Amino acid sequence: SQQGEEDPQALSIQEGENATMNCSYKTSINNLQWYRQNSGRGLVHLILIRSNEREKHSGRLRVTLDTSKKSSSLLITASRAADTASYFCATGGFKTIFGAGTRLFVKA
Amino acid sequence: SAVISQKPSRDICQRGTSLTIQCQVDSQVTMMFWYRQQPGQSLTLIATANQGSEATYESGFVIDKFPISRPNLTFSTLTVSNMSPEDSSIYLCSVVVGDTGELFFGEGSRLTVL
Repeated sequence: SQQGEEDPQALSIQEGENATMNCSYKTSINNLQWYRQNSGRGLVHLILIRSNEREKHSGRLRVTLDTSKKSSSLLITASRAADTASYFCATGGFKTIFGAGTRLFVKA
Repeated sequence: SAVISQKPSRDICQRGTSLTIQCQVDSQVTMMFWYRQQPGQSLTLIATANQGSEATYESGFVIDKFPISRPNLTFSTLTVSNMSPEDSSIYLCSVVVGDTGELFFGEGSRLTVL
């Protein structure tokens, strides 16, 4: 079963704009991860945030985590056409469970 | 990190046949997983491939349909047996390296069953 629910399911923005994706999960977690998938290929790990962290940055990515609300958000700043992909949150642990994903389309 | 090679990358199969997908990792890993991604959907964990013992299957997946081998710490196979069009999916091999829980993925095997 899927742990995370993400919204929006799809997002279309112009190049240069920011993209925000949200993820909610159901059970307690040790960490939460975000992955990217280009066009049905393998997933690439973007960033991991631990349960005792509230915010984390990596380049143009900013992830927040609110364990009281069981939610996380991924912000991509100054988006580029190459950011067009599907983005998944995943809860870590012995078995990683993936959310439904957000399809991001960045128009040049 | 880990580099994972999956074969085949894609295949078109006939109903009722079986196909074996191979996953080769460039380093020894303890945890290896097989996921399925149906068209337009997220990833669903099929099983954890255990070295030296039977795979551990998730609810809804059975060994007769998805037999898995794990002969050593760098290699695993997943067989999709007696395929039907509903088995058309991307099958992904993944491993955990280190203690962060970060997953590394192969490029996936895209199966189309006619």
